Amino acid sequence: GQNIDQPTEMTATEGAIVQINCTYQTSGFNGLFWYQQHAGEAPTFLSYNVLDGLEEKGRFSSFLSRSKGYSYLLLKELQMKDSASYLCAVKDSNYQLIWGAGTKLIIKP
Amino acid sequence: GAVVSQHPSWVICKSGTSVKIECRSLDFQATTMFWYRQFPKQSLMLMATSNEGSKATYEQGVEKDKFLINHASLTLSTLTVTSAHPEDSSFYICSASSSDRGNSPLHFGNGTRLTVT
Repeated sequence: GQNIDQPTEMTATEGAIVQINCTYQTSGFNGLFWYQQHAGEAPTFLSYNVLDGLEEKGRFSSFLSRSKGYSYLLLKELQMKDSASYLCAVKDSNYQLIWGAGTKLIIKP
Repeated sequence: GAVVSQHPSWVICKSGTSVKIECRSLDFQATTMFWYRQFPKQSLMLMATSNEGSKATYEQGVEKDKFLINHASLTLSTLTVTSAHPEDSSFYICSASSSDRGNSPLHFGNGTRLTVT
């Protein structure tokens, strides 16, 4: 079957750095997405990786290793507004999006 | 760009009534739209894929006669929850992609919170 694993919850301190990991086993691979979802709101797109390596976008970076079936989202200079759930999703060989359960990130002052 | 508008943002209805939710792509055409449901503290669950001009494709376990989907144009898809019951109370979210390219992300509407009393 297809499976995406990410931690259920993480806690970090304002101003610090946090890394949210995602591992996947899917039938084929056509890219990995990270989304941010604040409570009670719809997800918003953060990043896309299809080749190995690091993609940097401001305070957020996303890394992919296809051989390991692994990705992480790195958040720097954490702000209170970064408190949200972070969803990892993979497009399989049929371009269907497979979603992880999400990681709830709690930022403490 | 790539804005998806969903209406209403919240609705309260009585058990047994029907509720229609609209999803529009405002600045792009979407041949395919996706309807998700999300229960509290759970991840997104794909309900169905809405295809313009043809029947929707429903995920296993989703009743097509209860959740009616109509994709009447390249910018509009509707989801009608028929004979709603309290267990249908959930957060319903539509999404669409502005391109069929693999790297094109899904853009989400703001969601509709349905409460059935």
